[in-house]
Amino acid sequence: NAGVMQNPRHLVRRRGQEARLRCSPMKGHSHVYWYRQLPEEGLKFMVYLQKENIIDESGMPKERFSAEFPKEGPSILRIQQVVRGDSAAYFCASSPQEGGEQFFGPGTRLTVL
Amino acid sequence: GENVEQHPSTLSVQEGDSAVIKCTYSDSASNYFPWYKQELGKRPQLIIDIRSNVGEKKDQRIAVTLNKTAKHFSLHITETQPEDSAVYFCAARKAAGNKLTFGGGTRVLVKP
Repeated sequence: NAGVMQNPRHLVRRRGQEARLRCSPMKGHSHVYWYRQLPEEGLKFMVYLQKENIIDESGMPKERFSAEFPKEGPSILRIQQVVRGDSAAYFCASSPQEGGEQFFGPGTRLTVL
Repeated sequence: GENVEQHPSTLSVQEGDSAVIKCTYSDSASNYFPWYKQELGKRPQLIIDIRSNVGEKKDQRIAVTLNKTAKHFSLHITETQPEDSAVYFCAARKAAGNKLTFGGGTRVLVKP
């Protein structure tokens, strides 16, 4: 049973470009969470999605960031007009049911030049 | 919202000794407390968790204790080994919500 998959593993963007991060949950999991980890810091919650629905986006910056989890395909975290402060590791996690254990993916390390 | 404090931020122990990491949380509605281990450049991996209806849980060399009244929980690693070296994160989650609120992490170094 493949674990949570994320791609790309490393992403380099110049300021002002767009970054698209993908997350494929574990088979049978319909709940996806995105977290951001700044260097030498803990993980900070960004958004929680179920298929086709955003359940909790209380951790998402109001501008430039968006997330989706379509009926078919992976969950996407999109960052428009990236700035240097967006450089971080972005982890997604999935769970099989609401309130279940969260399994983390390997992360996408975003570097903004 | 929930706030989780974790101490110490770094911990160096001799191989074979015990390591203890402590966390406090602010929201009394939190009822699920997992601990994650993250090796350098790797994903966080769940090592043990505890729910608010129990006070202690043990899995081989790892144990977690929870004091709901004081709103703190601790991770205990006994007979530490070099492969225990990593960053450990505590987290808390409310019954009504699903997001995990993480502590700042503890970098554990086990010296051979």
